[in-house]
Amino acid sequence: DGGITQSPKYLFRKEGQNVTLSCEQNLNHDAMYWYRQDPGQGLRLIYYSQIVNDFQKGDIAEGYSVSREKKESFPLTVTSAQKNPTAFYLCASSMYSSDTQYFGPGTRLTVL
Amino acid sequence: DQQVKQNSPSLSVQEGRISILNCDYTNSMFDYFLWYKKYPAEGPTFLISISSIKDKNEDGRFTVFLNKSAKHLSLHIVPSQPGDSAVYFCAASANAGGTSYGKLTFGQGTILTVHP
Repeated sequence: DGGITQSPKYLFRKEGQNVTLSCEQNLNHDAMYWYRQDPGQGLRLIYYSQIVNDFQKGDIAEGYSVSREKKESFPLTVTSAQKNPTAFYLCASSMYSSDTQYFGPGTRLTVL
Repeated sequence: DQQVKQNSPSLSVQEGRISILNCDYTNSMFDYFLWYKKYPAEGPTFLISISSIKDKNEDGRFTVFLNKSAKHLSLHIVPSQPGDSAVYFCAASANAGGTSYGKLTFGQGTILTVHP
């Protein structure tokens, strides 16, 4: 089955720790994205990547980092510099950068 | 600066009737619009999209209308079913010129409840 997987579904971390969220897709999509959703708000773009070994900052990149070493994978690291890391994180991919984006199931990160 | 707005936080509809979800935008560079459906603790599911060269797009029970002069789009669901109960997000991107890199700007979402 083709799709986007994110793991884990729930993640708990202590304040001050870095944490990496996984995103994998087997749709052969070139472009991948990371969004954050907070209660009562729409999704906000953190980082995006149009192609392997290339990525750009979105609207709220501060305190986050990404890598794109493989076409299928786009992990997101939430660093200790992110002031409000507790949120629902969503990964998406699209065939090319202007195509419809399809989302994974999300990871709920809670920082204690 | 909220470039995409869904001014109704919630909508309640009877099963079998029409649901109309509205979305307004301010950025005249937006030329591609999408609607997503989302259940709690899940990723959004793509429903339907429309390019700015069209004013209507249909897919089964779902129809999206675009009024460019008013910078307004709406999603019609006919007939509404209890399984349609979810949060609906509209999203927009500015693809012309190739500089948006597919960035989607989302509205805040509207909670649709369809009563049996």
